[in-house]
Order: sequence, then C-alpha cells, then structure tokens
Amino acid sequence: NAGVTQTPKFQVLKTGQSMTLQCAQDMNHNSMYWYRQDPGMGLRLIYYSASEGTTDKGEVPNGYNVSRLNKREFSLRLESAAPSQTSVYFCASRPSQAGNYEQYFGPGTRLTVT
Amino acid sequence: QKEVEQDPGPLSVPEGAIVSLNCTYSNSAFQYFMWYRQYSRKGPELLMYTYSSGNKEDGRFTAQVDKSSKYISLFIRDSQPSDSATYLCAMSLQGAQKLVFGQGTRLTINP
Repeated sequence: NAGVTQTPKFQVLKTGQSMTLQCAQDMNHNSMYWYRQDPGMGLRLIYYSASEGTTDKGEVPNGYNVSRLNKREFSLRLESAAPSQTSVYFCASRPSQAGNYEQYFGPGTRLTVT
Repeated sequence: QKEVEQDPGPLSVPEGAIVSLNCTYSNSAFQYFMWYRQYSRKGPELLMYTYSSGNKEDGRFTAQVDKSSKYISLFIRDSQPSDSATYLCAMSLQGAQKLVFGQGTRLTINP
C-alpha cells in the first residue's frame, strides 16, 4: 500500500514553461486535493475533486488547471509558469466514510520557477 | 482576519519539557479538529483527531478542544528531539469537503 504518491519530487522551470504534476492514491478514496505550501502561509487549497468526474476551485486556483483522470489519479497543470508559483505542492486524498475528515498527504513536489 | 489563527513560532524548548501548541478559530460551526505533524521536507501526517469538545489522549500527546472559547490545544509531554517538526491544526465543518488549516507552528526540541 503506497498511499499517496506524487511525481516528480523536484522540478525547475523557466518562466512561461508548462508542466503537469501527477498524483495517485491506492486507498480507494473518493476525494482528492491539491495544496501549495509557502513559508509563513501554511497550506492553501488550489483545487479539489470530491469524486471522479468533478473538480472545484479552492482558495488559490488562478494559474492552475486540474484533471481527475479516474478515481486514483488527480493531476495539476501549470500552463505558463510564473515565479510566484515557486512553492511546494502537496496532493492529498480523503476517504468517503461519513464523519471521516482526515486527509492523507503525499510527499510533495518542490517546484522552482526562474 | 483568518478563520484559523496559529502562532508560527518558532518555538524552541529543552528535551523533557511539556509543550503547548494552540489555535484559535472564528467559525463556531467547526465540529472536527485535527493536528497534523510535518517533518522537514515531508508531507503532513495526522497526529490527533477530535470530534466536538473535550480531551483526547494518545501516549505523550493530548488534544483539547474548548468550543466555548473557540480554542484548541495540543500538549506534548516528555518532549523528545524526534518531536521537532511543524505542527498544523486543521478543522472542518460537518459535511464539508475542505479542511481549514492554521499556518503551522515550527517546534524544535533541544537535547
């Protein structure tokens, strides 16, 4: 049981380049999330998907797109990277059982945009 | 004003000390309260999970929720250097999809 996996672990982009961050979970969870974490800002929600086929904006969606490819996979795309998107990105998933609000996090992707 | 406020620290204490970490919140409808621990360059992992008010104990860790004061705490007894990490509080409304996180408190336990 790998839990939540993310690829790549590290990435350096030039301004204007595009890339896709991949996330997969093997826990049969319905909900999946993308966060960014910056010093002094805590975790900020970018997008989430409550179930396969649905996606919703979080607190900071501008400059990002997401795809819920299937129940296991949820990807985050930066179409035209900007230095302000330099951050650590975490994917998380959550079970569907009522009353269980725990989110399980992946190891993160460290992205630098120059 | 943020929905959840948490002092970012840093907090540095000697080994063996009792550590108190706190969050305040503004939305009285929050029902589920969590503490996550995040080691350097790792993802957050759940440490404690509490529903509504009261205390919950797990080994050296105790989580307290005071809904009347809109205040939650995490106590660490007999702190160890391995407890050095960032601790994030998080909370949720009944039926909500999203968690609301505090900023996180960076804690260092000195041997």
